[in-house]
Amino acid sequence: DARVTQTPRDKVTEMGQEVTMRCQPILGHNTVFWYRQTMMQGLELLAYFRNRAPLDDSGMPKDRFSAEMPDATLATLKIQPSEPRDSAVYFCASGGQSSYNEQFFGPGTRLTVL
Amino acid sequence: AQSVTQLGSHVSVSEGALVLLRCNYSSSVPPYLFWYVQYPNQGLQLLLKYTTGATLVKGINGFEAEFKKSETSFHLTKPSAHMSDAAEYFCAVSVPGTALIFGKGTTLSVSS
Repeated sequence: DARVTQTPRDKVTEMGQEVTMRCQPILGHNTVFWYRQTMMQGLELLAYFRNRAPLDDSGMPKDRFSAEMPDATLATLKIQPSEPRDSAVYFCASGGQSSYNEQFFGPGTRLTVL
Repeated sequence: AQSVTQLGSHVSVSEGALVLLRCNYSSSVPPYLFWYVQYPNQGLQLLLKYTTGATLVKGINGFEAEFKKSETSFHLTKPSAHMSDAAEYFCAVSVPGTALIFGKGTTLSVSS
């Protein structure tokens, strides 16, 4: 049963610390998306990659956030330094070669910055 | 540019009643349309999608949606609500080569 996996599932950290979230897309999927979900803003697209190349990261605060795909099986989202306003659930999703843009979501990483 | 509007951030129904969640979209080209469901503490799960062809689309858990181009709508329905349907529902739109654009979501509550 192919699934998107995310680690860690929960992360509590203190303001100023570096946070790294990891995502393993479904094998064979060539598009990876990062979203952030909060009560106030809902679901926001932060960035997405196709064939490991960043296509759009306009939703991501550039000064503290960075997203990479070191290889086809791993996507990372880093926050440095973290701030309390970064507290949210971060979702990774992956999509295949289909032009329909269907996305498959991981279970999310719940981040709490104290 | 594409956009999605979900009418009603919260919908409450009784068990056994009709479920109707409204979604209107804006797109300059023929869109692809999706409904996703999110249960508490989980990721989003695809309910159904419209790409081309038949405008009435059936999904999982007894849900269906109808693409109405003239009304730019893609409303989600289920004839009889079940307690397990309580969740948040997201409508989304895309066109080839772009990412999905999600609506703000509608929380469905089901009372016994």
